[in-house]
Amino acid sequence: AQSVTQLGSHVSVSEGALVLLRCNYSSSVPPYLFWYVQYPNQGLQLLLKYTTGATLVKGINGFEAEFKKSETSFHLTKPSAHMSDAAEYFCAALTNQFYFGTGTSLTVIP
Amino acid sequence: GAGVSQSPRYKVAKRGQDVALRCDPISGHVSLFWYQQALGQGPEFLTYFQNEAQLDKSGLPSDRFFAERPEGSVSTLKIQRTQQEDSAVYLCASSLRDGVYEQYFGPGTRLTVT
Repeated sequence: AQSVTQLGSHVSVSEGALVLLRCNYSSSVPPYLFWYVQYPNQGLQLLLKYTTGATLVKGINGFEAEFKKSETSFHLTKPSAHMSDAAEYFCAALTNQFYFGTGTSLTVIP
Repeated sequence: GAGVSQSPRYKVAKRGQDVALRCDPISGHVSLFWYQQALGQGPEFLTYFQNEAQLDKSGLPSDRFFAERPEGSVSTLKIQRTQQEDSAVYLCASSLRDGVYEQYFGPGTRLTVT
């Protein structure tokens, strides 16, 4: 069965610092991979997705993620954190259905 | 344009009551999904419709959970004889069609069973 692991349920970074949110998947067949962001009392919003082709994908709000098959990882990064990035982030894998990680809460310290 | 809407946004039910949660997908979206998100967890798949056909209900936790989409647009998730463990946020998502298409999520319904 597919599973998605997000290391670190809470991550704090200073404003302007690098953001790194980790995601690993388990699958015998590489799935399609997604990152979603969830602001309080709102639905999930797609940040970016990897399907095929280039392994470095760029998303909205300056985020990007790199698919590394050898590491079964799809970590999310942003070079410089902004206060508005504070939210819950979910990694998800799609095989026959969506499997979500448990989420990482990002805090940005001014 | 209008996104996915869900109603009610908040629902408090006494244990044993039946509840019905509504989802209005984006117009023209073929696929509709229901997820359950427990506190501190990621969304977990419940069920999936393609138009009016329920193609996958493997995630429904018990036979107290029932979903329908009779005309291929609005969907209702019904929970009978609610239990405390049913307390969660119920998310609905729609996508244009099957396959690797973006799922657009609604804001969710927060169900609290007392």
